Amino acid sequence: ETGVTQSPTHLIKTRGQQVTLRCSSQSGHNTVSWYQQALGQGPQFIFQYYREEENGRGNFPPRFSGLQFPNYSSELNVNALELDDSALYLCASSLEPGAPADTQYFGPGTRLTVL
Amino acid sequence: QQQVKQSPQSLIVQKGGISIINCAYENTAFDYFPWYQQFPGKGPALLIAIRPDVSEKKEGRFTISFNKSAKQFSLHIMDSQPGDSATYFCALLWMDSSYKLIFGSGTRLLVRP
Repeated sequence: ETGVTQSPTHLIKTRGQQVTLRCSSQSGHNTVSWYQQALGQGPQFIFQYYREEENGRGNFPPRFSGLQFPNYSSELNVNALELDDSALYLCASSLEPGAPADTQYFGPGTRLTVL
Repeated sequence: QQQVKQSPQSLIVQKGGISIINCAYENTAFDYFPWYQQFPGKGPALLIAIRPDVSEKKEGRFTISFNKSAKQFSLHIMDSQPGDSATYFCALLWMDSSYKLIFGSGTRLLVRP
C-alpha cells in the first residue's frame, strides 16, 4: 500500500449534479496530482496542487476544480456532471515537483458513475 | 498533448514465459520513464522506472530496456507468473511546471498457469 487514501470508494450521481472527491497524500509529500481513468484507458492528468496552489492543468474544462489544504490533503470538485465524467478518479502524491526521485504514488481511486 | 504509444493491447503468456510490452514516444523532453501495474479495482502501482542516461534497468524479474535514439522503451517480465496478470502502463514524466505523467493506453496481461 502506498499510504495514499481516497474517499469515497464508489459514488453514483446524476447528470447536472456536483461531486467532491477527497485524497490524503502520503506522509511527507506536499504535491498532489489528480487523474481521470476512463474504462479501458490510461489515466489522464487533470491538475496538480503544490503547497496549496494549482501547479499545472491538463485538458479539462473549468468545471473540474480542486483544492489543497495545509495538511496537503486535496479535493477534486466536478460541477454540472456529464455522462462522460464516469470514470475512476485517481490521486497521486509525490515529493516536490522535479525532486530527484519524482515518483508519484497512487491511491486506490474513486469510481464515479454518472447516470 | 504529448503522446506515448503502447503495444500490444493485450497479451497472453504461459507461466514461465517472457512477457514483453513496448512503448514509443514522440518528444525528447522526458526525463523519467516509469512502468505501472494495475490490478482490477486498484490504483496503478509503480513497478520499475528508468532515466534516459541508462539503457537497461533490472529489478528481480522485471527489466526495462531503453533506446533513446529510437525513442522506445520496453518492459520485459521474465518467468511470468499467474500473479503477474494485470494491466501494465508505461508512462512519461512531462516536465512543464507540473511534472505530469503521460500514460500509454495499457496492456492487459494474462499469464496462464
